[in-house]
Amino acid sequence: QVRLQESGPGLVKPSETLSLTCGVSNFFINSGYFWGWVRQPPGKGLEWIGSVYQTGSAYYNPSLESRVIISIDTSNNRFSLDLRSVTAADTAVYYCAKATIIYTGNYYFDSWGQGTLVAVSS
Amino acid sequence: SYELTQPTSVSVSPGQTARITCSGDALPERFAFWYQHKSGQAPVLVIYEDSKRPSVIPERFSGSRSGTMATLTISGAQVEDEADYYCFSADSSEEHSGVFGGGTKLTVL
Repeated sequence: QVRLQESGPGLVKPSETLSLTCGVSNFFINSGYFWGWVRQPPGKGLEWIGSVYQTGSAYYNPSLESRVIISIDTSNNRFSLDLRSVTAADTAVYYCAKATIIYTGNYYFDSWGQGTLVAVSS
Repeated sequence: SYELTQPTSVSVSPGQTARITCSGDALPERFAFWYQHKSGQAPVLVIYEDSKRPSVIPERFSGSRSGTMATLTISGAQVEDEADYYCFSADSSEEHSGVFGGGTKLTVL
C-alpha cells in the first residue's frame, strides 16, 4: 500500500520560501499517476495547490501560480513543493497526495499523507 | 478557473438522510469526487466518479450527478459521519482545473 510522508520546516518567516518534500513508499512515483499538494488554512476549507505528472509537467491553482513550483524527483521517489514570498495567509496544514487518472482524463486524490502544519511567522 | 459551490452546513438527526450538494458549470463534463475530512486526519475518499463507492466506505454513502449539480447522500446518517465534506473535480488536460468545493459541515445531532 502506498505511503506518503510530508517533511519540511514547521515555521517559515514572511517573504521567505516554504519548501516541503513528500516521500513516497511502496509505490513507484513514475507509474503513470499525478502527485499533488493540498492545503487547509486554519478554519478554512481544502485548497488544491497543484499537481505534477511523472514527466515533470505541473498544473497549478491560478491563485498561487505566480509563487509556486511543484517538482518531481523520480530517482528518489519523491516530489516537492516550493511556495515563494509567503505571508501569514499561507499558514496551513499541507498535504501531499497521489492522484489516479481515470479513462476520461479526470483525476482524483486516492492516497494522502497525514499532513504537516506550516506556520508563517517572524 | 473553475468553482464548485457547496452549502456551508447541513444538520440532521441520527438515522435521517443527509444530502450535500455541489454545483459547478464544469460538472456536466467532469466527474465529481467526494471527500470526508475530520479534524486532524487526512481526507478520505467516500465517492468517486459521481456515484461509485470505495469498498471500505459504508453503503449508506451514495452519490449522483445531474447537469451542473452533484449530490452526496448519506442514508441513515450516524454520529460518526459528522465531518466536513468536500467535492472535488480535476482534469489532466486542463492546466488550472483542480478545484475543491468550499466544504460542508455535516452535523449529526
